[in-house]
Amino acid sequence: DTAVSQTPKYLVTQMGNDKSIKCEQNLGHDTMYWYKQDSKKFLKIMFSYNNKELIINETVPNRFSPKSPDKAHLNLHINSLELGDSAVYFCASSPTGTENTEAFFGQGTRLTVV
Amino acid sequence: TQLLEQSPQFLSIQEGENLTVYCNSSSVFSSLQWYRQEPGEGPVLLVTVVTGGEVKKLKRLTFQFGDARKDSSLHITAAQPGDTGLYLCAGEGRNRDDKIIFGKGTRLHILP
Repeated sequence: DTAVSQTPKYLVTQMGNDKSIKCEQNLGHDTMYWYKQDSKKFLKIMFSYNNKELIINETVPNRFSPKSPDKAHLNLHINSLELGDSAVYFCASSPTGTENTEAFFGQGTRLTVV
Repeated sequence: TQLLEQSPQFLSIQEGENLTVYCNSSSVFSSLQWYRQEPGEGPVLLVTVVTGGEVKKLKRLTFQFGDARKDSSLHITAAQPGDTGLYLCAGEGRNRDDKIIFGKGTRLHILP
């Protein structure tokens, strides 16, 4: 069974569209994240979320919004897509209440905005 | 903001050689992880180091956490083509809002 799964794996869409990327984890973790990996492979955190609070990276445009219907899911909604949004987006989860915060990643969603 | 600097950014060596990758910061981390990412996949956790001066071994990979918990190194002995990949260090800060942050990675290529 896949621990952290994202869909779709590839997404090609036109500028101005609104799209969503889904993420589900079956690890029972309390905290989930969204990361953006740019063309130089730099992983930058966008959001971290547990069932109590959302922490947003202040550099993330408000066109990006996380939605969490339950503890196992954290979806990423993107409005009015721009060319610069093209990147690979990774969902991750980690347990809380432990000494170490280790992240388990999904396979990524390659978003291409044309 | 805590930053993790990784060096070198790129490394291409022959099979059988040894190498060391460094991860440095001016900030103290409560723990530090090393991940490996292959093309088309998400990062996969290799190891977590917690205690200053800690050394962990994973087959031919040796990970060390600096005494002050500000830096770490990854040493690979007798590199194999299968070691090729992107190696990322990541740290969890000591402050409440310091979630997992990543270095920019070291792209390693082992030539057969």
